[in-house]
Amino acid sequence: QKEVEQNSGPLSVPEGAIASLNCTYSDRVSQSFFWYRQYSGKSPELIMSIYSNGDKEDGRFTAQLNKASQYVSLLIRDSQPSDSATYLCAVDTNAGKSTFGDGTTLTVKP
Amino acid sequence: GAVVSQHPSWVICKSGTSVKIECRSLDFQATTMFWYRQFPKQSLMLMATSNEGSKATYEQGVEKDKFLINHASLTLSTLTVTSAHPEDSSFYICSAYPGQGTDTQYFGPGTRLTVL
Repeated sequence: QKEVEQNSGPLSVPEGAIASLNCTYSDRVSQSFFWYRQYSGKSPELIMSIYSNGDKEDGRFTAQLNKASQYVSLLIRDSQPSDSATYLCAVDTNAGKSTFGDGTTLTVKP
Repeated sequence: GAVVSQHPSWVICKSGTSVKIECRSLDFQATTMFWYRQFPKQSLMLMATSNEGSKATYEQGVEKDKFLINHASLTLSTLTVTSAHPEDSSFYICSAYPGQGTDTQYFGPGTRLTVL
């Protein structure tokens, strides 16, 4: 079992729809969780970080964390073609060191 | 704030030569820097963790004699790919971790290495 698993893609949604990205992790003691967006040929950029159970909203993005179930998700509302990218889930393991999932590629079709 | 630069952004070299990649945190001090490698359509693979003033910690399967890491200051870490071969061609990305109450690491823009 991988330490961080993301739902297999690719994921395709029409413009304006909600995109849902899921991630599960195996280390119960993990405290910090991150979602990164990576465009092709570019390095990852941080979208959201979440540390407590529940929802955290930032514009069109909502991260959800459930430590009991060991999952974290990212919802993108009103998806835009510019949201088309690979989304990486990362779980902090120790002092800034993160374990990354394999990523889910999202395509938003106009 | 929290800007990380990498130099060069891309490099082409001949097989057998060495290539040095620099990673700088421009507006903060980084207690730790991480070096990743990413092959096409694959996720980030952590190569090593670099702490200022101490030896880097390499992940399993990463040859420390081939990938030399030096973290000379709190704002600069370098990765040298020695005796590069075509299979070393990849996207190398560094990230800098400020510590001090944050869990966030900040990524550099990456360096595309092509070994002929």
